[in-house]
Amino acid sequence: KAGVTQTPRYLIKTRGQQVTLSCSPISGHRSVSWYQQTPGQGLQFLFEYFSETQRNKGNFPGRFSGRQFSNSRSEMNVSTLELGDSALYLCASSLLAALSRNEQFFGPGTRLTVL
Amino acid sequence: SQKIEQNSEALNIQEGKTATLTCNYTNYSPAYLQWYRQDPGRGPVFLLLIRENEKEKRKERLKVTFDTTLKQSLFHITASQPADSATYLCASPIGQNFVFGPGTRLSVLP
Repeated sequence: KAGVTQTPRYLIKTRGQQVTLSCSPISGHRSVSWYQQTPGQGLQFLFEYFSETQRNKGNFPGRFSGRQFSNSRSEMNVSTLELGDSALYLCASSLLAALSRNEQFFGPGTRLTVL
Repeated sequence: SQKIEQNSEALNIQEGKTATLTCNYTNYSPAYLQWYRQDPGRGPVFLLLIRENEKEKRKERLKVTFDTTLKQSLFHITASQPADSATYLCASPIGQNFVFGPGTRLSVLP
């Protein structure tokens, strides 16, 4: 079974731009969660999508948004980029909802650099 | 405030010894805790899950305990090997959030 894939792997943007990241979950998994990882704040939960609906949300501003398609693939969008948005963005998939005692399978991440 | 913490930022041990990592939680009662391993530049990999009504779980050389009185989970790696060197993260749901601890960077020295 193929693992979680994320595209692109690396991205460089400038302040004020917007960016869209993509995640393809493991086949059959219905939940996709997004995380931001930085050296200072660690691994932080952004949101979770399950069957095309946002189920849970972390403490991030509205500039961070996402969606999930009928094939469970998910995209995350960040608008009006700030320098502090530079991070590794990780996507994780699970068979059932992420907060329901399910193990999560993480992708390799997208390294975003904001200049 | 509700939080999950890992006491040690880094831990060095000799090959063959048992590594013990600590995860503490404050002001909430997790239904379960998960442990993950993360290597540099890669996504975390799930290792073990322990529920609040379980005292101990084992998987090969790994063992995790859950003490609701101490509000603590311990993660043990027995007969540690240099290949076990990585960052280990504990995690649990807190409300609508899924929260990871800051991680403990384990170095197993040959």
